[in-house]
Amino acid sequence: SYELTQPPSVSVSPGQTARITCSGDALPKQYAYWYQQKPGQAPVLVIYKDSERPSGIPERFSGSSSGTTVTLTISGVQAEDEADYYCQSADSSGTVFGGGTKLTVL
Amino acid sequence: QVQLVQSGAEVKKPGASVKVSCKASGYTFTSYGISWVRQAPGQGLEWMGWISAYNGNTNYAQKLQGRVTMTTDTSTSTAYMELRSLRSDDTAVYYCARGGRWFDPWGQGTLVTVSS
Repeated sequence: SYELTQPPSVSVSPGQTARITCSGDALPKQYAYWYQQKPGQAPVLVIYKDSERPSGIPERFSGSSSGTTVTLTISGVQAEDEADYYCQSADSSGTVFGGGTKLTVL
Repeated sequence: QVQLVQSGAEVKKPGASVKVSCKASGYTFTSYGISWVRQAPGQGLEWMGWISAYNGNTNYAQKLQGRVTMTTDTSTSTAYMELRSLRSDDTAVYYCARGGRWFDPWGQGTLVTVSS
């Protein structure tokens, strides 16, 4: 099965823009999804189908795709956005998660 | 609102089996599949498999084939995940989630500890 690669960590100051990337050979053919997980909590879907935002997710969360890389962008980062973020993709054989990126708000 | 509520924490000995339940509410149960994902302590998310709540079709992660069984009870809108021949590295929080391609929402998680 294929792999999805994320940077282990990203740091940003409040109010700045955070970009978290996810790379994988299957991404040009398959949609990507993003989840936010805070300590001790279950993951929450923040982006689906590369760039769609579920209801209730703040507009500062956005997603984009280019070739083998998808990017989660958080504009105007707030302290409450500090969390682990996971990308995910699926095909007929199953689902793969990226290794996760810890977003630190300085 | 859509909600998935899982059964409580379990402590099992190596070689035993565990069965975790996931009760759905707030939507038509048979219109969506249920996926299972686990997370070992301090580690990332690992997909375990999926079951269609409509017809019971399943798709399991290759590394768990032969040890995992996922079922549903449509009369109670409940999904189940059974893992057999438990090992210490099966210690993890086990999550159910609605959906097969993407997962939303998730249950609160069930901690399964495997220890002698």
